[in-house]
Amino acid sequence: KAGVTQTPRYLIKTRGQQVTLSCSPISGHRSVSWYQQTPGQGLQFLFEYFSETQRNKGNFPGRFSGRQFSNSRSEMNVSTLELGDSALYLCASSSRPTSGGAYNEQFFGPGTRLTVL
Amino acid sequence: AQKITQTQPGMFVQEKEAVTLDCTYDTSDPSYGLFWYKQPSSGEMIFLIYQGSYDQQNATEGRYSLNFQKARKSANLVISASQLGDSAMYFCAMKRGGADGLTFGKGTHLIIQP
Repeated sequence: KAGVTQTPRYLIKTRGQQVTLSCSPISGHRSVSWYQQTPGQGLQFLFEYFSETQRNKGNFPGRFSGRQFSNSRSEMNVSTLELGDSALYLCASSSRPTSGGAYNEQFFGPGTRLTVL
Repeated sequence: AQKITQTQPGMFVQEKEAVTLDCTYDTSDPSYGLFWYKQPSSGEMIFLIYQGSYDQQNATEGRYSLNFQKARKSANLVISASQLGDSAMYFCAMKRGGADGLTFGKGTHLIIQP
């Protein structure tokens, strides 16, 4: 079974631009969560989509948005990029939503490393 | 609010020795799950082991075991017989029973020396 894939793996943008990242979950998984990893703040939960609906959202500004398609693939969009948005963005898939209980094994992709200049 | 604390930013360990990575957590929820992930330099997070708050026994997965002390709110990861390939960042994470993502600690950078 193929793992979680993320594209692109590396991205360089300039301040003010917008960016779209893509995540394809493991086949059969309907939950996709996004995390931001920076040296300063560590790993932080962005949001989760399950069956095309946003279920949870972390403490991030509205510039960060996402969506999920009927095939469970998910995209994350960041508008008006700031230097502080430079990070590794990780996507994780799960067979059930994170609201399904305390056990929620999430399988992570390799991440997209975004650099904002 | 829930919080995960990993007090060891970095550790150097000799190959074949056992390693204990510390993790303490703070939550008022009675139902929660504790996870350990390994992140090699490639960036991908690899799931290692899980412990539920109601589990009576400590979790084990091969060379990994979780020393769960609920009253002290600690969930230390023990790696037996360390190998060079164990060199990586290790993250402790927690999930509440409700609608949340994972809350991660800052991580421990483990380096195994030959």
